[in-house]
Amino acid sequence: AQSVTQLDSQVPVFEEAPVELRCNYSSSVSVYLFWYVQYPNQGLQLLLKYLSGSTLVKGINGFEAEFNKSQTSFHLRKPSVHISDTAEYFCAVSDKMGAGGTSYGKLTFGQGTILTVHP
Amino acid sequence: NAGVTQTPKFQVLKTGQSMTLQCAQDMNHNSMYWYRQDPGMGLRLIYYSASEGTTDKGEVPNGYNVSRLNKREFSLRLESAAPSQTSVYFCASSLLAGPSYEQYFGPGTRLTVT
Repeated sequence: AQSVTQLDSQVPVFEEAPVELRCNYSSSVSVYLFWYVQYPNQGLQLLLKYLSGSTLVKGINGFEAEFNKSQTSFHLRKPSVHISDTAEYFCAVSDKMGAGGTSYGKLTFGQGTILTVHP
Repeated sequence: NAGVTQTPKFQVLKTGQSMTLQCAQDMNHNSMYWYRQDPGMGLRLIYYSASEGTTDKGEVPNGYNVSRLNKREFSLRLESAAPSQTSVYFCASSLLAGPSYEQYFGPGTRLTVT
């Protein structure tokens, strides 16, 4: 069974400062990793995903994340945040293969991290 | 350019009442999902439909039923609502059911059961 832990429930930061949102996962098999963003009163939107290849993944809005297999982590970073980045961020993991050899895209989500950017 | 739409946006029910949440997508996706979001718990999968004509249970299916009406529409029914079902419900769709396929989410339905 998979699990995802987002280590910070809330992260306050000032505008133009760097930010890191931490995510650790546990799984007994190879995984795909995702970061989603949820702006107030909206649905989730994919920020970036790691499927294979380079462990540094770049996404939309200047965000990037690094897959670290030995540490089972997938931390999200942005070098300089804007007020508009204020949102809730979710890390999610999916097994590369589902039970019984079928793959249905089941995502297991972390608890979410609320990023608040102050002027 | 609607993407995934959900109705209603808000709903208040009394314990024991029933209702159906509607979801439709216009992206010609094969797979659709229902999640619930509760504070501090992230999103949890209720049911999914890998393709038209199939549905399967997710992590928290108890108290819910689903219908994949056609390729576009996937509804979630609460037969006898309970306060524990107070939550925000999200519908999502993806081109195929494989884990590497991006899921697109609707705006959500905020349900309160009193």
